Amino acid sequence: DAGITQSPRYKITETGRQVTLMCHQTWSHSYMFWYRQDLGHGLRLIYYSAAADITDKGEVPDGYVVSRSKTENFPLTLESATRSQTSVYFCASIDRADTGELFFGEGSRLTVL
Amino acid sequence: QQPVQSPQAVILREGEDAVINCSSSKALYSVHWYRQKHGEAPVFLMILLKGGEQKGHEKISASFNEKKQQSSLYLTASQLSYSGTYFCGTEKDQGAQKLVFGQGTRLTINP
Repeated sequence: DAGITQSPRYKITETGRQVTLMCHQTWSHSYMFWYRQDLGHGLRLIYYSAAADITDKGEVPDGYVVSRSKTENFPLTLESATRSQTSVYFCASIDRADTGELFFGEGSRLTVL
Repeated sequence: QQPVQSPQAVILREGEDAVINCSSSKALYSVHWYRQKHGEAPVFLMILLKGGEQKGHEKISASFNEKKQQSSLYLTASQLSYSGTYFCGTEKDQGAQKLVFGQGTRLTINP
């Protein structure tokens, strides 16, 4: 089915461990984004990508790494997880050519102990 | 820079009206509005591209005052299904494709 999917949906890890959150979209949207959502802060942009091999920092990039070797995939890696990275992470892609609507994945809830 | 939304939360009875405001300290190219139900992903409501533009869908509409660098979302005769958290997302430059969201406004509709 077409859409944007994230995995895993839930993850518990320990401080210092590396974690990768996966994001896959089937629309061939050029732009993809990673947001984190925390109470009181709304959605904050971590990284975004304009196309394969093109990425750029958002508002809160520290502690995160992204890559985009293929248009459809945009993984987010926490190289050494910290408790402050406990959050819900949303991947999104944009259909700019049409309505400008940002399509979100279902989210990945990460808990760092 | 993150836009500021007001109020942070509002509680209404079914059938009442609400206004949610979104203000930016910088000039804007566009404003987007999204609604998020608890435990779900945000869902697109509308985008406003030009100053003074008003858009609407049924009983939910929005305006964009480019000069004042702000947008307002109007919910008329609210229904229970309107409950959720509303986010505005702002875009500074055309083609930037990068949305910065406000902190959200939690709307609760009671019967």
